[in-house]
Amino acid sequence: GAVVSQHPSWVICKSGTSVKIECRSLDFQATTMFWYRQFPKQSLMLMATSNEGSKATYEQGVEKDKFLINHASLTLSTLTVTSAHPEDSSFYICSATSRGYSNQPQHFGDGTRLSIL
Amino acid sequence: QQPVQSPQAVILREGEDAVINCSSSKALYSVHWYRQKHGEAPVFLMILLKGGEQKGHEKISASFNEKKQQSSLYLTASQLSYSGTYFCGTASNTGNQFYFGTGTSLTVIP
Repeated sequence: GAVVSQHPSWVICKSGTSVKIECRSLDFQATTMFWYRQFPKQSLMLMATSNEGSKATYEQGVEKDKFLINHASLTLSTLTVTSAHPEDSSFYICSATSRGYSNQPQHFGDGTRLSIL
Repeated sequence: QQPVQSPQAVILREGEDAVINCSSSKALYSVHWYRQKHGEAPVFLMILLKGGEQKGHEKISASFNEKKQQSSLYLTASQLSYSGTYFCGTASNTGNQFYFGTGTSLTVIP
């Protein structure tokens, strides 16, 4: 089956640090990648949708200058949390799909647990 | 824009059945169902496309009523492995929006 690799699995860092999270599709071309944020016992909240080669589309309320998304190739998307603060601590998870996400399943990475001290 | 699921939580004994509902305020092109276990990534279950589809996956099946903008997931003869949080995901008719539902926590006990 389709495999998505997300790194790192967890990060603990000091306030003010920038953190980069990578999401790679290992065996298929991901035309679309999604970035979600999930708080404990809550749903996955979509942060942004990124299509290969174009700028990401951010959801309302998500600061694009704080959460930088790059989808430079069909197998790699990155999320950089710039100048992270404790309120940015959360579980970040990416998903990837091909050929239109309306009728294709999303394949998820294992998520990144981010803790900002 | 987030689809609403009901119930929020349900506890079943092994062998019992359950229904999870997903309701959207927007016209839908498709409904996806995923299951997430604690601390893990969501796992894809099935997709239903507009046209009133019904699908089955072993003892887990689903229906999609596009007119009512609703979908239901049916779990029959539940097993302990069914425990987890179930999310529906909806893609709009315009094809450029996808949102996960509020989630339903399902616990199966012996």
